Amino acid sequence: EDKVVQSPLSLVVHEGDTVTLNCSYEVTNFRSLLWYKQEKKAPTFLFMLTSSGIEKKSGRLSSILDKKELFSILNITATQTGDSAIYLCAVVRGNNNDMRFGAGTRLTVKP
Amino acid sequence: DAGVIQSPRHEVTEMGQEVTLRCKPISGHNSLFWYRQTMMRGLELLIYFNNNVPIDDSGMPEDRFSAKMPNASFSTLKIQPSEPRDSAVYFCASSVSVNQPQHFGDGTRLSIL
Repeated sequence: EDKVVQSPLSLVVHEGDTVTLNCSYEVTNFRSLLWYKQEKKAPTFLFMLTSSGIEKKSGRLSSILDKKELFSILNITATQTGDSAIYLCAVVRGNNNDMRFGAGTRLTVKP
Repeated sequence: DAGVIQSPRHEVTEMGQEVTLRCKPISGHNSLFWYRQTMMRGLELLIYFNNNVPIDDSGMPEDRFSAKMPNASFSTLKIQPSEPRDSAVYFCASSVSVNQPQHFGDGTRLSIL
């Protein structure tokens, strides 16, 4: 059975800390992996990863994919209280854009 | 640009009633997805459409749930009869084409009393 597992499920840090969120997967016909940030409303898109070893970067956020070991990490450096959110990992499989989501990591950044 | 539009934003109703959630995808997007989010189960894909055709409804929890997409600019998710365990936030998302990031609506918060 296909699955996407995120860890940790919950994380509390202080401003300025660096965090690493993990997403491992087992799916058939992998196409890509996506990271989303969900605050109070809907998830907002962060990164799409399709190739191993190529880091995607946006400000203090970065992500990389390892297709051999079947995982991705999302790094956030110099965290701010505004980074507090649920971070969702989703894997796209097959030809019909079928996505499988992980349960998410709830990040809390304290001042 | 208008994003994915969902209505209503909030719905509170008594168990046994019919509930209809609505979604307008982004114009030009060919794929539409319905999700349910709960604290216990996270974000679950219920059903998705490609070019208005349902492709995979294996995530639909039971026969009380049904979804339609009569045209490229409108979709509904219906629950009949509703039960308290259906209480959740229901998201609609759309994407341009296969393997492209999905854009989410703001969700409908459904409470069944």
